[in-house]
Amino acid sequence: DIQLTQSPSFLSASVGDRVTITCRASQGTSSYLAWYQQKPGKAPKLLIYGASTLQSGVPSRFSGSGSETEFTLTISSLQPEDFAAYYCQQLNSYPPSFTFGPGTKVDIK
Amino acid sequence: EVQLVESGGGLVHPGGSLRLSCAASGFTVSSNYMTWVRQAPGKGLEWVSVIYSGGTTYYADSVKGRFTISRDNSKNTLYFQMNSLRADDTAVYYCTRARGGSSGWYFDYWGQGSLVTVSS
Repeated sequence: DIQLTQSPSFLSASVGDRVTITCRASQGTSSYLAWYQQKPGKAPKLLIYGASTLQSGVPSRFSGSGSETEFTLTISSLQPEDFAAYYCQQLNSYPPSFTFGPGTKVDIK
Repeated sequence: EVQLVESGGGLVHPGGSLRLSCAASGFTVSSNYMTWVRQAPGKGLEWVSVIYSGGTTYYADSVKGRFTISRDNSKNTLYFQMNSLRADDTAVYYCTRARGGSSGWYFDYWGQGSLVTVSS
C-alpha cells in the first residue's frame, strides 16, 4: 500500500501568513490526491481533489499542486477560520483502500 | 441538499456488538460508493470500509471479519454492523459519500460522526 507523510506535523502561523503543507507518497499516485480540513469536534471537509481542483464553495485562498509523490496545499493568506487540522488522502488501487496522511495542525502564533 | 445523519453509537463492552446507521438525503445511496471512516480520540483519520454501487464491499485489515457494511435501498440508509468490538475500535465513526473518476477518489460529504466507546 502507498503510505503518505505530511510535513510539518504542526505549524504556528499568524493571520495573513502564507502557509504551505506538503504531502509525500511512498509511491507515485498520479494526481489522485485530496485535501481535507478538520476543525475540533467537527467532521472533515473536502477542500481539494485531483491534487489541484478546488471543491465548490471553498475559498480561492486555498490551492493545491503536485503530482506522483509530492503534493502541496497552500493557503495564500491565513484567515482566523483556517486554524484547523489538514489531511491529505489518496486511493490504493487494489485491493481498493484509502489512505490518509497523519495530519498537519495549524495553530495561532 | 445532501445530508448524512448518523445514529447508533454508544458505550459497549469488549466483545460486544453495535450497529451504526447513516440516513442519507439529497442523493441515492445505492447509486454511489459509500464508506466508513473512523478517528480514534486525538488521532488521525482511518478508512475502514467501502460499499460500491454494485454492492461489492472492501474492508481495512483492522476490521475485516468483524465489521460488515451494508445498505437498505428502500430507506436510503447505510449501515455498519460491528461485532467482536475491542478497545482499539473506540473512535468517532463517519459515514461518507465517495466520488471518483479521472480526478481520483475522494469523500465529498461526511456525516456528523458517531462516537463508539468500547470499555468495560
